[in-house]
Amino acid sequence: LAKTTQPISMDSYEGQEVNITCSHNNIATNDYITWYQQFPSQGPRFIIQGYKTKVTNEVASLFIPADRKSSTLSLPRVSLSDTAVYYCLVVPTGTASKLTFGTGTRLQVTL
Amino acid sequence: GAGVSQTPSNKVTEKGKYVELRCDPISGHTALYWYRQSLGQGPEFLIYFQGTGAADDSGLPNDRFFAVRPEGSVSTLKIQRTERGDSAVYLCASSLNGDGGNYGYTFGSGTRLTVV
Repeated sequence: LAKTTQPISMDSYEGQEVNITCSHNNIATNDYITWYQQFPSQGPRFIIQGYKTKVTNEVASLFIPADRKSSTLSLPRVSLSDTAVYYCLVVPTGTASKLTFGTGTRLQVTL
Repeated sequence: GAGVSQTPSNKVTEKGKYVELRCDPISGHTALYWYRQSLGQGPEFLIYFQGTGAADDSGLPNDRFFAVRPEGSVSTLKIQRTERGDSAVYLCASSLNGDGGNYGYTFGSGTRLTVV
């Protein structure tokens, strides 16, 4: 399974755009890049997934360059409620697979 | 149900005791996973069920840990002779068909196990 590397923590003010970059140098052809969000006392929550280029949903955008060795999760105009741990994962598709989590990025949003 | 339900939400037990943790997945989800999360760490895989059978139990740390899913729905994680090092949050997740890459996994809120 491809290993991922992301910053341990980030700080932001409310209303700013936050970009969290994840590196996955050994990503395989059939791997998707998936991000999960985890609030205290809750399980992780799937927020976005992509294979290449750009994916956008109501929560976030995911930017993936052509070589797919990294990806950037973009959270527009964060609020206090976006304070959470964000996990970047590489997940093989087409087969049942377990998720391998790293330690994630702890995002702290303040006023 | 609407989400993955885990009971109890908190469990305190004495060292050496036996505990059972229950997971009720989303109706119709054939794949079910157990994870364990220690403070400040990401979830760590324990076991995966596809239907009633354990398709991958490579994450179970030792033979004190066992899980069942007899009817392909509810699952129970069983821990014998608990040790203080077993203290963690135990998370359950389910997915429609096990292909988490396309649909993601839905996690429960976990059971916080404390062994004293």
